[in-house]
Amino acid sequence: GAVVSQHPSWVICKSGTSVKIECRSLDFQATTMFWYRQFPKQSLMLMATSNEGSKATYEQGVEKDKFLINHASLTLSTLTVTSAHPEDSSFYICSALSLGQTGTPSSNTEAFFGQGTRLTVV
Amino acid sequence: DAKTTQPPSMDCAEGRAANLPCNHSTISGNEYVYWYRQIHSQGPQYIIHGLKNNETNEMASLIITEDRKSSTLILPHATLRDTAVYYCISHSGNMLTFGGGTRLMVKP
Repeated sequence: GAVVSQHPSWVICKSGTSVKIECRSLDFQATTMFWYRQFPKQSLMLMATSNEGSKATYEQGVEKDKFLINHASLTLSTLTVTSAHPEDSSFYICSALSLGQTGTPSSNTEAFFGQGTRLTVV
Repeated sequence: DAKTTQPPSMDCAEGRAANLPCNHSTISGNEYVYWYRQIHSQGPQYIIHGLKNNETNEMASLIITEDRKSSTLILPHATLRDTAVYYCISHSGNMLTFGGGTRLMVKP
């Protein structure tokens, strides 16, 4: 099946610094990518929807100036956690929808997930 | 996307079938039912999806009721490696919204 690669797998950073996480679709084009955050023993929470060539759409309660999303190409979206604090420590996961046979995502096109990035802010 | 509800946890004996239920009573006509699982500290893994017909692949079977208000994921011969959180999601084509999932524990 299709592959979504996320990098890095884990990162430790100092409080106040910024961290960039990359999400790449390796063998398909993805006009839409999603960023999730997962705290221990909780489900995935959608943070934002990233659309190639346009501004991301953020879910309620997610600060767009803190979590910068750039979707510059059909195969790459990045999430930058700016001025990270210990409460930002979490497991961040990206996913991508394939375009499907019609060239657009539909309810019959599966989402592929990256392996996740564990961020620890100290 | 329609809301789904699942039991928070289930146990299953190794080698036996694991039947994981999901309620999606508000699902609309064009929304598919997807199942993913997440093994600890990994990204979700696709298992199977369907619209109204039962589906089977190398991993599992999906049984959808005629009214489409519920479905059951069947792992025919559960192994210890099937221990994971299983998510049932209804997908309208825009995004996947995760509920709490079912934590399946396969025991020897």
